[in-house]
Amino acid sequence: GENVEQHPSTLSVQEGDSAVIKCTYSDSASNYFPWYKQELGKRPQLIIDIRSNVGEKKDQRIAVTLNKTAKHFSLHITETQPEDSAVYFCAASKTGTALIFGKGTTLSVSS
Amino acid sequence: NAGVTQTPKFRVLKTGQSMTLLCAQDMNHEYMYWYRQDPGMGLRLIHYSVGEGTTAKGEVPDGYNVSRLKKQNFLLGLESAAPSQTSVYFCASSLAVYYEQYFGPGTRLTVT
Repeated sequence: GENVEQHPSTLSVQEGDSAVIKCTYSDSASNYFPWYKQELGKRPQLIIDIRSNVGEKKDQRIAVTLNKTAKHFSLHITETQPEDSAVYFCAASKTGTALIFGKGTTLSVSS
Repeated sequence: NAGVTQTPKFRVLKTGQSMTLLCAQDMNHEYMYWYRQDPGMGLRLIHYSVGEGTTAKGEVPDGYNVSRLKKQNFLLGLESAAPSQTSVYFCASSLAVYYEQYFGPGTRLTVT
């Protein structure tokens, strides 16, 4: 089955810096790649997703890139703010299967 | 709309006891999911359902059973709880696999 690896497990940046989180997946048939954010004590919430027919997607300060050949995708956060501090999860799925999540990245943004 | 709700919010069980966690959604979603979240392990899928009356195994199904008798409800059962099942359990629902999953607030379960 699908396996999703996420790196790094923790990431500390200064406010205003950029943050990049990378995920690799094992099943070349996977075609849907969402990212979820979970603030401390809260439920996970979708922040951005990308499908396999698109190489990049942006939404204000966040962007996701997909490299299907290398089977990896990344989350980019620019101009980080303290409220970006949270755990971020990547996930992958293919037609007919449920999402498989990575183990998460704890992002800390210090001011 | 309440979205996705979970009952109970907290529970403490002794080893060997049984319990049922209830998930309810009011968004008319076909898909529902149960996850467990443990430190450093991310969100692991236990079971899921693609519609009323259907269930399927996820990554870590052993020791759990589920039922989806009504479209809006998805029940997770532990027949004989073990300390290894101490975790935070999240329910989620979505229109389909390629759509946003809406999560419930979670249930913190401790098995002693």
